[in-house]
Amino acid sequence: EDQVTQSPEALRLQEGESSSLNCSYTVSGLRGLFWYRQDPGKGPEFLFTLYSAGEEKEKERLKATLTKKESFLHITAPKPEDSATYLCAVQGHDYKLSFGAGTTVTVRA
Amino acid sequence: DSGVTQTPKHLITATGQRVTLRCSPRSGDLSVYWYQQSLDQGLQFLIQYYNGEERAKGNILERFSAQQFPDLHSELNLSSLELGDSALYFCASSVGLLGVAGNTIYFGEGSWLTVV
Repeated sequence: EDQVTQSPEALRLQEGESSSLNCSYTVSGLRGLFWYRQDPGKGPEFLFTLYSAGEEKEKERLKATLTKKESFLHITAPKPEDSATYLCAVQGHDYKLSFGAGTTVTVRA
Repeated sequence: DSGVTQTPKHLITATGQRVTLRCSPRSGDLSVYWYQQSLDQGLQFLIQYYNGEERAKGNILERFSAQQFPDLHSELNLSSLELGDSALYFCASSVGLLGVAGNTIYFGEGSWLTVV
């Protein structure tokens, strides 16, 4: 069974304090690794898809990287509006998308 | 706005009752997915349909069922409701099957179900 573990569970940052979130995974035949952002009471909002080890993608202050066992979401110089829960998900050979529990990021001004 | 529409947004019902949650996928999307999110379990995959046919099944209870209609909208039916079924139910859609480069799933805003 595919497994996704995200760490830390919660992260409190000062505005401008860069940090990284980790997503460790085990999957049978990785088809893709996805990052989503979720605000309280809202649906997950798509951020990135990574398909192979070594791939990197960037969007504003966020950068996602992928290795064979884990993915990192780097937040550079975060702002309060970056506060959210960040979800990692993997898709295996059976097309199912399995989510981690998420990392809740709080950025203080 | 992801383009995925879910109704109702909020629903309160009693134990033992049956409810139907409705989802309209993004225009052009053939795949529909249903997920359950509760406080203690995170996002759990329930079921996926592709162009009207069941494609993948997750941890969906026998009391729950779903279908995708010819116009591609989908319904999730929850019956014999229990207190533990209280959760946020998300529908998501994608153009085709995941795993194809550029094919991503987009989530709706969810339906809050409270069973009392």
